[in-house]
Amino acid sequence: QQQVKQSPQSLIVQKGGISIINCAYENTAFDYFPWYQQFPGKGPALLIAIRPDVSEKKEGRFTISFNKSAKQFSLHIMDSQPGDSATYFCAARGAGGFKTIFGAGTRLFVKA
Amino acid sequence: DTAVSQTPKYLVTQMGNDKSIKCEQNLGHDTMYWYKQDSKKFLKIMFSYNNKELIINETVPNRFSPKSPDKAHLNLHINSLELGDSAVYFCASSQEVGGRSYNEQFFGPGTRLTVL
Repeated sequence: QQQVKQSPQSLIVQKGGISIINCAYENTAFDYFPWYQQFPGKGPALLIAIRPDVSEKKEGRFTISFNKSAKQFSLHIMDSQPGDSATYFCAARGAGGFKTIFGAGTRLFVKA
Repeated sequence: DTAVSQTPKYLVTQMGNDKSIKCEQNLGHDTMYWYKQDSKKFLKIMFSYNNKELIINETVPNRFSPKSPDKAHLNLHINSLELGDSAVYFCASSQEVGGRSYNEQFFGPGTRLTVL
């Protein structure tokens, strides 16, 4: 029940295309869903996050879509660029728990 | 003015040795974490300290012992290192406000530990 399932494991997209990464969770106590971006040799960094009271959040080329009834959320990267090539982690957290549960990660490669 | 720093960046050692990794944050946060990232990039929390008090202790072998001398520092000591301990270890910090969940975690650059 504490798991966050992420797919796909890896993704290759052409420059200018749309990258889509999907996540699903079971625990309805989760109420914060961040996405982290990690470049090789670096630590993860927060990219964008959403709370379940909204169905979509957009920041520049990055959009989170959230489906509370299906317990699923996804990251869409519009106009994907080679500089977006990184590993992306979805995550989930509940109030007061101090614990963030991470998905297994998706390695994105954007071809120039 | 690095927000979360870790030393060393790389650590290569023999099986059976004892080693420490240090972490410092200058963000004024009250909560610090240790994560382990394996070769498949999976990120797993190991420990979390809030105001120097241990609040998360996952199923981690007793050979791993965290120590938080103050709110800005969280060190990780590992005894009797094993081959399976080889991984990248990340320190992170956050400011936990009023028990809410939406507190951003800031990660350090990682320490790559290789046990031979």
